[in-house]
Amino acid sequence: KAGVTQTPRYLIKTRGQQVTLSCSPISGHRSVSWYQQTPGQGLQFLFEYFSETQRNKGNFPGRFSGRQFSNSRSEMNVSTLELGDSALYLCASSLKGANYEQYFGPGTRLTVT
Amino acid sequence: DQQVKQNSPSLSVQEGRISILNCDYTNSMFDYFLWYKKYPAEGPTFLISISSIKDKNEDGRFTVFLNKSAKHLSLHIVPSQPGDSAVYFCAASRRTTDSWGKLQFGAGTQVVVTP
Repeated sequence: KAGVTQTPRYLIKTRGQQVTLSCSPISGHRSVSWYQQTPGQGLQFLFEYFSETQRNKGNFPGRFSGRQFSNSRSEMNVSTLELGDSALYLCASSLKGANYEQYFGPGTRLTVT
Repeated sequence: DQQVKQNSPSLSVQEGRISILNCDYTNSMFDYFLWYKKYPAEGPTFLISISSIKDKNEDGRFTVFLNKSAKHLSLHIVPSQPGDSAVYFCAASRRTTDSWGKLQFGAGTQVVVTP
């Protein structure tokens, strides 16, 4: 069974631009969660989508948004990028939901200059 | 508010010896706990989990212990191998009382296994 895939793997953007990251979950998984990882901060939860509905949201500004499609693929968008948005963005899928075992993709490394 | 804490940012252990990673939590409603391992440039990999109805769960070289009264869990790796060098995250959730909840992660512990 294929794992979670994320595209692109690396991205360099400038301040003020917007970016869209993509995630394809494990086949059959309807829950997709997004996390931001920065050095020393662990994994900060952004939001979870389940069957195309956002079920849960972390403490991030409205510049961070997402959506999920009928095939469970998910996208995350960050508008008006700031230097502090530079991070590894991880997507995770789960069969039952965000408070069960989640299986992570390799992440997208975003650098904002 | 950090509800899951890993107070040791790093741990160095000799190959063949035991690695003990610790994790504390503050929310007594957590009833499900997990450990993840992460190599650089890769996503975290699920290692082992434990439900609050148990105090121990074992899977090969990995054993997780849960002390609910102390709100503390630990991961034992025996014997430690060079491939175990990675960042380890503990996580917790409220599975039975919060069906739309999420995993709360600690900040991670960097383990280095030396020859």
